[in-house]
Amino acid sequence: QVQLVQSGAEVKKPGASVKVSCQVSGYTLTELSMHWVRQAPGKGLEWMGGFHPPDGETIYAQKFHGRVTMTEDTSIETAYMELSSLRSEDTAVYYCSTAIGRAATNPMDVWGQGTTVTVSS
Amino acid sequence: DIVMTQSPDSLAVSLGERATINCKSSQTVLYSSNSKNYLAWYQQKPGQPPKLLIYWASTRESGVPARFRGSGSGTDFTLTISSLQAEDVAVYYCQQYYNTPRTFGQGTKVEIK
Repeated sequence: QVQLVQSGAEVKKPGASVKVSCQVSGYTLTELSMHWVRQAPGKGLEWMGGFHPPDGETIYAQKFHGRVTMTEDTSIETAYMELSSLRSEDTAVYYCSTAIGRAATNPMDVWGQGTTVTVSS
Repeated sequence: DIVMTQSPDSLAVSLGERATINCKSSQTVLYSSNSKNYLAWYQQKPGQPPKLLIYWASTRESGVPARFRGSGSGTDFTLTISSLQAEDVAVYYCQQYYNTPRTFGQGTKVEIK
């Protein structure tokens, strides 16, 4: 059974970067497709990017292109999402979520607890 | 991008009554080669991450009560809670994973009348 544990809350100034981690247990990262979703206060869910089996690589939502980087360190089974050039509109809870496998497209069935990122001067 | 539109935005249902949430996609999420609809439903309670309820449009996730039922195909989908319980108060989202970006509906808030 997959478990995801995310890093703690962050407070950042506009223009800075934030890097959120997501530690995986129960499976190895290479057995999973990792995705990142965010939720602004009182708003809905927004997919930021994730591993897309048909392309065999991580795909980013166009909205975040050039500002987001998603990486994995398989030696410590930890995934990372780094968002740069932060603005107040990036204030949100950021979730990692996994789908089983990398060979086929599957639903995201396990979620981390969320990491609150606050952008404020 | 595939646009997912849910209706209604909110609904209030009496305990034990049926709740119905609709989700429409701007293009098909039915993959013809395997006849699977790439559509999931999530439940989110305040302060918690989303929880997967239904995937492939109609398959209940392990442990999800039988009162939750997903139906539909192609572009039109429905989540039905057959007999609303107090613990079902939440926001429900549909999501397509047919293509990237994996877009969500705007959410439907379910409350007790």
